Amino acid sequence: EPEVTQTPSHQVTQMGQEVILRCVPISNHLYFYWYRQILGQKVEFLVSFYNNEISEKSEIFDDQFSVERPDGSNFTLKIRSTKLEDSAMYFCASSVRNEQFFGPGTRLTVL
Amino acid sequence: RKEVEQDPGPFNVPEGATVAFNCTYSNSASQSFFWYRQDCRKEPKLLMSVYSSGNEDGRFTAQLNRASQYISLLIRDSKLSDSATYLCVVNIGNYGQNFVFGPGTRLSVLP
Repeated sequence: EPEVTQTPSHQVTQMGQEVILRCVPISNHLYFYWYRQILGQKVEFLVSFYNNEISEKSEIFDDQFSVERPDGSNFTLKIRSTKLEDSAMYFCASSVRNEQFFGPGTRLTVL
Repeated sequence: RKEVEQDPGPFNVPEGATVAFNCTYSNSASQSFFWYRQDCRKEPKLLMSVYSSGNEDGRFTAQLNRASQYISLLIRDSKLSDSATYLCVVNIGNYGQNFVFGPGTRLSVLP
């Protein structure tokens, strides 16, 4: 069964550093998403991506964040100048239309 | 008012019980609705989409009342494996996909 994969599973970084989280969506899916979930809190939408551009983004997704689909398979989330409060689980998801399939997540720890 | 609200829980029920989850949403323009489940420290997994006519999948029944902006999920004959957090999800996107997750209701099915 096809699945969304994410790397790394855990990323530890120093405050102020840049991180890139990577995702490989399901191959025939058209929509791609990033979410974050701070420990003990709800899943929060960051951004959706369709046809090689951002289609929707939340208030959380400010200039610190960017997304890219550098080739036909990868979908990345870049976080610049990380802050302590960026520590969270980051989930990638993909869908044909509305029904999303999530990857296992990358746990980001900012020290 | 929060965009998606759910019963705070947790629900602790014996095996075989019927359990109902409630969800309300604030954006009347919302177009699509879903239930996901999330196991501890795992990614959300799609349980079912929710249609205006209501839909059933085995032991699970979902209902949507657009007039009341209310969504429900009923689990019959609950199993130990149903223990998880149940997430109500609403697409509020104007131009694309912008999914708002509720805070979730945790269910523990007890032997």
